[in-house]
Amino acid sequence: AQRVTQPEKLLSVFKGAPVELKCNYSYSGSPELFWYVQYSRQRLQLLLRHISRESIKGFTADLNKGETSFHLKKPFAQEEDSAMYYCALNVGAGGTSYGKLTFGQGTILTVHP
Amino acid sequence: KAGVTQTPRYLIKTRGQQVTLSCSPISGHRSVSWYQQTPGQGLQFLFEYFSETQRNKGNFPGRFSGRQFSNSRSEMNVSTLELGDSALYLCASSLGFLGQGKGYEQYFGPGTRLTVT
Repeated sequence: AQRVTQPEKLLSVFKGAPVELKCNYSYSGSPELFWYVQYSRQRLQLLLRHISRESIKGFTADLNKGETSFHLKKPFAQEEDSAMYYCALNVGAGGTSYGKLTFGQGTILTVHP
Repeated sequence: KAGVTQTPRYLIKTRGQQVTLSCSPISGHRSVSWYQQTPGQGLQFLFEYFSETQRNKGNFPGRFSGRQFSNSRSEMNVSTLELGDSALYLCASSLGFLGQGKGYEQYFGPGTRLTVT
């Protein structure tokens, strides 16, 4: 069964410092990985998807199949980045779990001024 | 494009009652997934519907059920409510298939907060 682990429940950094939110997954096939973010009093929203290899709001995430990781990084954190971040896994095309996301427990990021 | 909407936003029920929650997906999305969010268990997948058929199911008891209509709107029902069913229930919609170079990214609604007393 697939599993997603976010080892840090809380992460605090100062504004301008680099930030890395860790995500490890267990799945033997071809995963689709996402980062979702939930700002205070807002709905859960998609931040990044690994297949697009894009940078959103300065965040990037690289899929490392060897280490089964999909860490989220930003070189210079901003106060508005403070939020709950979830890493999520969906089995890839050809599987049977198209609309079934497995979420990690989430990491609360706090960026101090 | 309007986002995913869920009704009602808040519900208070007593043990033993049943409840129905509704979700309207983004226009053009054919897949609707439901999740339960609690402080202890986090976000857990309930089930997914695609073109009126249940395509996936999570590890929840049979008291949790759902359905999808021809316009892709979905409802989920919980019968014989228990205190432990108190949670935020999230609905998410997606295309439901690979298309336009996208994966199965899901767009979430604001949730329905269910409190069972």
